[in-house]
Amino acid sequence: QPVLTQSSSASASLGSSVKLTCTLSSGHSNYIIAWHQQQPGKAPRHLMRLEGSGSYNRGSGVPDRFSGSSSGADRYLTISNLQSEDEAAYYCEAWDSNTRVFGGGTKLTVL
Amino acid sequence: EVQLLESGGGLVQPGGSLRLSCAASGFIFSTYAMIWVRQAPGKGLEWVSSISASGSNTYFADSVKGRFTISRDNSKNTLYLHLNSLRAEDTAVYYCAKLVASATVYWGQGTLVTVSS
Repeated sequence: QPVLTQSSSASASLGSSVKLTCTLSSGHSNYIIAWHQQQPGKAPRHLMRLEGSGSYNRGSGVPDRFSGSSSGADRYLTISNLQSEDEAAYYCEAWDSNTRVFGGGTKLTVL
Repeated sequence: EVQLLESGGGLVQPGGSLRLSCAASGFIFSTYAMIWVRQAPGKGLEWVSSISASGSNTYFADSVKGRFTISRDNSKNTLYLHLNSLRAEDTAVYYCAKLVASATVYWGQGTLVTVSS
């Protein structure tokens, strides 16, 4: 099964953009992933499904400020025009036929 | 609108048992695979278990294999997680979630399980 690696923290200024990375382990670079957002004290929220080609589908109600892209084993989540409500933990998720795995999460601070 | 409402959490002693329920609405429950995910206090998300739409296939994380079972009642639109031989490290918020094309897309609000004497 794949292992997903994320930086533990990131920060960016209000109104700017930030790019978060999720790296798939060796041999799993073609995997589809999903990105999820978890605001403090709340349940996770699905943001998008992201393929190795870079094609992505945002979840219902997710603003177009959130976009995805891919390069090799790396999967990216870009948030543009950062808002205060974007301060949250962001998790990537991958799966195969029998298991699924989450990355450790990136805590995003909006300055 | 998809809604998932977990219940059944609470305080239980080590070695004890608990049954979590997840009431689903807003979609045809019997046609979707479902999962349970947990989150220990201050920690990240951990997949716990999956079940196919019919209930015939089930899968578990190594950390809970042999202690937890997953089931569903498609006539009642309800998903279950049976927690046995509970340990302190099972303390977590447990979320049920609906899969769409294998991705976790809809999340419940979670129910807290605390294992302590």
